[in-house]
Amino acid sequence: ETGVTQSPTHLIKTRGQQVTLRCSSQSGHNTVSWYQQALGQGPQFIFQYYREEENGRGNFPPRFSGLQFPNYSSELNVNALELDDSALYLCASSLGTGVYGYTFGSGTRLTVV
Amino acid sequence: SQQGEEDPQALSIQEGENATMNCSYKTSINNLQWYRQNSGRGLVHLILIRSNEREKHSGRLRVTLDTSKKSSSLLITASRAADTASYFCATDTGGFKTIFGAGTRLFVKA
Repeated sequence: ETGVTQSPTHLIKTRGQQVTLRCSSQSGHNTVSWYQQALGQGPQFIFQYYREEENGRGNFPPRFSGLQFPNYSSELNVNALELDDSALYLCASSLGTGVYGYTFGSGTRLTVV
Repeated sequence: SQQGEEDPQALSIQEGENATMNCSYKTSINNLQWYRQNSGRGLVHLILIRSNEREKHSGRLRVTLDTSKKSSSLLITASRAADTASYFCATDTGGFKTIFGAGTRLFVKA
């Protein structure tokens, strides 16, 4: 059984650029949630995908978008990067909406300069 | 706004002592989960307790839930240096998202 894999692990981008982060969910999980974690803070919910459809969204602007693929892997895209987008981006997979808990990846550390 | 808030924000203890962290939340929940995070990396799921449960154990971990007070506690017994990490509570309110608190930073001195 494989866990959740995120790529890349670190990324440096310039303000205004676009970025794509990737996540492979744990085997048997059909739901992927994305979180943003600023330094010293708790994870903030971005959105969740279930069976390739967005299942819910947190308080993030439309320039944060995502996809889920038939194999349940997922992408997080962020357009027009801002300095405040610098954070650890965490992907979590689950069976359904997380009533059994989540399995997290190790995260992608994004730095916007 | 945060649904869950952990207390204390930071805790420093000696190896072998017990560590207790508390979590308060605002709305009704389906379940409450505790996670550990080492050095700003991924979160590790520790325990999930459902709203109709009052206490759960897993190894050196004990979690209690008081739905009347909207609070939970995580007890780590006989702490080790390897327990040094940030601990987060997360609440599932039955929707699509699980909401995390700001965490308790635990430092266990050898």
